[in-house]
Amino acid sequence: NAGVTQTPKFQVLKTGQSMTLQCAQDMNHEYMSWYRQDPGMGLRLIHYSVGAGITDQGEVPNGYNVSRSTTEDFPLRLLSAAPSQTSVYFCASSPSGGAGDTQYFGPGTRLTVL
Amino acid sequence: RKEVEQDPGPFNVPEGATVAFNCTYSNSASQSFFWYRQDCRKEPKLLMSVYSSGNEDGRFTAQLNRASQYISLLIRDSKLSDSATYLCVVSSGGGSQGNLIFGKGTKLSVKP
Repeated sequence: NAGVTQTPKFQVLKTGQSMTLQCAQDMNHEYMSWYRQDPGMGLRLIHYSVGAGITDQGEVPNGYNVSRSTTEDFPLRLLSAAPSQTSVYFCASSPSGGAGDTQYFGPGTRLTVL
Repeated sequence: RKEVEQDPGPFNVPEGATVAFNCTYSNSASQSFFWYRQDCRKEPKLLMSVYSSGNEDGRFTAQLNRASQYISLLIRDSKLSDSATYLCVVSSGGGSQGNLIFGKGTKLSVKP
């Protein structure tokens, strides 16, 4: 199993550009989520999904969209990139989203917005 | 009060030392507690869950104190490979991982 994969590993955008961060998992997990990690901050939840066709907002959803058309994939779209979105983005999955589940993280995407 | 607080460190310790980290949480309804490990420029990985009765995994011991609302991680006989940032993670209540709150992490550096 590849686990959780993310592409790209690095990305530089200009302000106003849009892009999609890809996330896929091959563990048949129902729950998937996106976090951002900034220096001096804990991981903050952007959006999450409890199953195909179901998504919900996390703590910091503004400027981001998600969809979940399959169990495996959970892309994160930046609609109009801003310098404040410079961060490291982690995708994670867990079997059912239960509070006691282990979360499995992807390797991250390092995004810089100029 | 911040939801999950950790001493950011760094904790600089020699090999073989015992080191302990604490983490406090603000929501008394929190149900689940974890320690994750994050190596530099890598993703977080689960180190251990924390149970009410306390639990041990080799050199690592985790404790939960609900009355005082803190969890702890004890590392015995530190190895160079233990150098990492340790993240305290708490569910803020409810049954969904949408409610997980991450601390900012405690950095540990083990020196030869």
